Amino acid sequence: KAGVTQTPRYLIKTRGQQVTLSCSPISGHRSVSWYQQTPGQGLQFLFEYFSETQRNKGNFPGRFSGRQFSNSRSEMNVSTLELGDSALYLCASSLERGPGGNTIYFGEGSWLTVV
Amino acid sequence: KQEVTQIPAALSVPEGENLVLNCSFTDSAIYNLQWFRQDPGKGLTSLLLIQSSQREQTSGRLNASLDKSSGRSTLYIAASQPGDSATYLCAVGDSWGKLQFGAGTQVVVTP
Repeated sequence: KAGVTQTPRYLIKTRGQQVTLSCSPISGHRSVSWYQQTPGQGLQFLFEYFSETQRNKGNFPGRFSGRQFSNSRSEMNVSTLELGDSALYLCASSLERGPGGNTIYFGEGSWLTVV
Repeated sequence: KQEVTQIPAALSVPEGENLVLNCSFTDSAIYNLQWFRQDPGKGLTSLLLIQSSQREQTSGRLNASLDKSSGRSTLYIAASQPGDSATYLCAVGDSWGKLQFGAGTQVVVTP
């Protein structure tokens, strides 16, 4: 069974540009969450999608957005990139939304460097 | 506001010793707690998931306990091996499925 797949794995962008990251969850999983990981702030929750609807959002500016498609694949977008957006962006999927009995599975992440 | 703390931040032990990693949280109204492992430059691997109604979970050499009333969880790794070297993170889950992570404990097991 394939795990959570994130693309691209590594990318370098210039300040002011925008970026789109993609996540394919484990087959059958309907909940997709995104997290940002930096050395200074650790892992921080960005947002969670279930059945194409954003159900929960973390404390990030509006430059961070996302969406989920009918096949549960998800994308996140960051516009007007800032140097501080350099981070590892992790996608996670689970079978159902909410904690329930659901183990959450993470992808390998997308390394974003903003120069 | 939920805060999750992991102590110590780093730990070095000789191979064969048992590892004890601590996690504390300020709000006991959690739905579950998960322990993850992260290798350098990699994503997170789920190790154990403890539901709020459970006291512990075990998998192989790993055992995690949960005491909601005191806001604590402990991960025990028996007979540590060099391959156990990684960063271990705990995360508490709320009713919406959002995980609040601790900063992690970096573990080095020396041969």
